[in-house]
Amino acid sequence: DIQLTQSPSSLSASVGDRVTISCRASQSISTYLNWYQVKPGRAPRLLLYFSSSLQTGVPSRFSGTGSGTDFTLIIHSLQPDDFATYYCQQSYSTPRTFGQGTKVEIK
Amino acid sequence: QVTLRESGPALVKPAQTLTLTCTFSAFSLTTSGLCVSWIRLPPGKALEWLAIIDWDDEKYYSTSLKTRLTISKDTSKNQVVLSMTNVGPEDTGTYFCARTWGTYTHPCTHFDFWGQGALVTVSS
Repeated sequence: DIQLTQSPSSLSASVGDRVTISCRASQSISTYLNWYQVKPGRAPRLLLYFSSSLQTGVPSRFSGTGSGTDFTLIIHSLQPDDFATYYCQQSYSTPRTFGQGTKVEIK
Repeated sequence: QVTLRESGPALVKPAQTLTLTCTFSAFSLTTSGLCVSWIRLPPGKALEWLAIIDWDDEKYYSTSLKTRLTISKDTSKNQVVLSMTNVGPEDTGTYFCARTWGTYTHPCTHFDFWGQGALVTVSS
């Protein structure tokens, strides 16, 4: 199975901050990497797919980069609605796997 | 619009079989390139992918759970069913089904629509 390691596991940030979350794959996965936002009691939300393609309806302050084994999710100006847990997920091979999550908290 | 809804028991006893149903609308699992996946979120832990079924009835499972899982579809009812045998307390969590979409050359790559989730507790 392909392992995904996210860093950091949690972070504290203020509204307006630029936030960067990393995801490293245990082997090359080309650009088959997706990002999700999860809030308690809510359905997870797809943010980006194929590393950098923004899902319809997702604000442009979210962006993604990377290929191979190293990927980054960037929130360019953190908004109050963005405090949540973020997960990366690989779709290069089956079984699909998720990272362990990064919790973004209010500073 | 695309919707998915999970249904099943809220409480299951240890060693029993858990059966969850995903009922969806506004898409068909006969459409080439479409899949439905099951994913769970245990309390205080990370998302865990469980299983996927595609338009051609191909099925794939989590490596650690594959001996306990069975996924199936009923295209006439727009439903996907997940069964998990011999449940234990570690199977407690919220179970989601999700439409899984992709491209012609690499189908079923990302989970673009999710249900609200079904909370399952395993306890005697």
